[in-house]
Formats: sequence, structure tokens, C-alpha cells
Amino acid sequence: QITLKESGPTLVKPTQTLTLTCSFSGFSLTTTGVAVGWIRQPPGKALEWLALIHWDDDDRYSPSLNNRLTITKDTSKNQVVLTMTNVDPTDTATYYCARQPTVGATAKVFEYWGQGILVTVSS
Amino acid sequence: DIQMTQSPSSVSASVGDTVTITCRASQGISSRLAWYQQKPGKAPKLLIYAASTLQSGVPSRFSGSGSGTDFSLTITSLQPEDFATYYCQQGSNFPRTFGQGTKVEIK
Repeated sequence: QITLKESGPTLVKPTQTLTLTCSFSGFSLTTTGVAVGWIRQPPGKALEWLALIHWDDDDRYSPSLNNRLTITKDTSKNQVVLTMTNVDPTDTATYYCARQPTVGATAKVFEYWGQGILVTVSS
Repeated sequence: DIQMTQSPSSVSASVGDTVTITCRASQGISSRLAWYQQKPGKAPKLLIYAASTLQSGVPSRFSGSGSGTDFSLTITSLQPEDFATYYCQQGSNFPRTFGQGTKVEIK
């Protein structure tokens, strides 16, 4: 059974760095063709893709946030970490992590999602 | 970036109706399109991938079609549990992009 769960602070002050952790089970990020990504959703708004890391350490970022994001993985802990620097109230959103295969029938789509974590940026 | 444009942004329908949502990509994406359903306070759920393939466990009243730039999601015989927001997502290029969502509301 594949599960993912986000954790991290729910309240962050402007200009601080936000660090979110995605802990997963039921698969390994050492397996060829597996990737884990982050997607966020401001309250009442649409989904926005942020970043993705592949089993081979290839990482991709949203160009609009590229210089503020870093995605890393810890395969021994089955975790993916997203770091966002210099947060702003417009970064207030529910942040989701999700598993994305890169091969097979469901390649390039997000098959499994975490429950999400609401992060508020406010002083 | 590939822009994904959904229409309509919202639709009111009754139980038993058929609803069609369209998604247009700003450039060709072959069949690299997925549809998700999201209910309030919940994570999105994958419904359809590769434009027309139903994810395991998804009722057959959901169907998808299209390729290239124009896609559609059709829900036949709408059920109470189908009232939700639906998003398309392209998997052709980075950055991955989503449509702005279509809310299916009860009439």
C-alpha cells in the first residue's frame, strides 16, 4: 500500500525559510522510474506544480519559483524534503506531495497524493 | 510553459445529467493528459490518465477523450458523490501544469 504524508510548520513568518517533509511508504525512491513531487494550492485557488525529484536525483522546478526552491531526497528514510526560501503571504497554501511514475501507463501523472498540509505565512 | 485552459469554470447540473468539461493545451501534448477530482478539504484523486484511460476503481461513468491540444472529460449519469472540482494536468513538458479547475455544482 502506497502512502505519503506531509509534515512541517503550519505557520511561518514572512522572509523565513519553509521546510516541508514528505514521508512515504510502499515504494522506494531508489527504484528506476519513480519520482516524488510537490504541488500547492492557495485557499480557493487552483493547483500549482512546484518541484519534482527523480530516483536518479534529476530534479525539476517551477520556473516562477526556481530560485527559491530546493528539493532533496533521503532514500534511507523514505523522505523527500522541499525547502522554500524568503516566504511571503502569497505562499500561504496547502502543500501536497505526490508520487509520479516516469515509466509505464501512468507515467507523468500523480497517482498517489498525501493528505496535504496547510501552511500560513503571516507575521 | 504549456498553459492548460479549462472550460467552463463552473457548471450546475442535476443528478442523472451528463456533464462535459474541456481542457485545451497551448501546444500539442500528445495524450499526456490526466484528470483529477478534488473534493473540499481533500487531496486530488486521479481519475483518468493518458487522456482516456480510467484509473483502477474509477466508475465507468467517467470518460476522457482527445489528443494534441483538445481534451474532454465526460461524466454521464451524474451521481451525488461527483459534485466536486475537476482539474486537468499535462505530463508532456516541464513545468507540469494544471488547468484552473471546473467546479461541478448541484443545480
